[in-house]
Amino acid sequence: EVELVESGGGLIQPGGSLRLSCAASGFTVSSSYMSWVRQAPGKGLEWVSLIHKSGDTTYADSVKGRFTISRDDSKNTLYLQMNSLRVEDTAVYYCTRSCGAYWCFGYWGQGTLVPVSS
Amino acid sequence: QSALTQPPSASGSPGQSVTISCTGTSSDIGGYDYVSWYQQHPGKAPKLMIYEVSKRPSGVPDRFSGSKSGNTASLTVSGLQAEDEADYYCSSYGGSNNLIFGGGTKLTVL
Repeated sequence: EVELVESGGGLIQPGGSLRLSCAASGFTVSSSYMSWVRQAPGKGLEWVSLIHKSGDTTYADSVKGRFTISRDDSKNTLYLQMNSLRVEDTAVYYCTRSCGAYWCFGYWGQGTLVPVSS
Repeated sequence: QSALTQPPSASGSPGQSVTISCTGTSSDIGGYDYVSWYQQHPGKAPKLMIYEVSKRPSGVPDRFSGSKSGNTASLTVSGLQAEDEADYYCSSYGGSNNLIFGGGTKLTVL
């Protein structure tokens, strides 16, 4: 059974850094397209970043240059390194696994909340 | 790129059908068949309901169907049931390795 479990969220001050983790089970992260999707409180969904099977990465303009997606194949874990955090980055961050085509998200974690506030 | 446009709300009575629209441009919905729909209940993670315009993942009832015409995609829920009450989000590949979501539609079962 596919399972995604995020961790690492928590209150952080503007300008700070945080690393989110997503432990996967039931499949191999390195053989999948994986993404992070976020949702600000009371707002809609926003795609953040994707890592291809090949290891290539892509980012939304809103986080480009500040966030880095990566994976540890030995731990079957996905990461999101978030630097220079802004108040507008406040959101629940979901780890997702793509469905057949990599621009759809077939499996979601429970999400981890990242409040950015002074 | 701007978010896709969805109506803020939609409603229907049990047993009826309701259609939710999602309007984009020729650079996203109109240019690719990578439209997806997600259902989200309060406090829960989203769930994939439709992908690649009209495909249903295993386990999704066939009451849910998707289509696309030009720059507009649609999700139709037939035979509405109480448990269908949720927020629904569309998404589309927007080119240049970018994915765009709609603003969401709150579906109420009357």
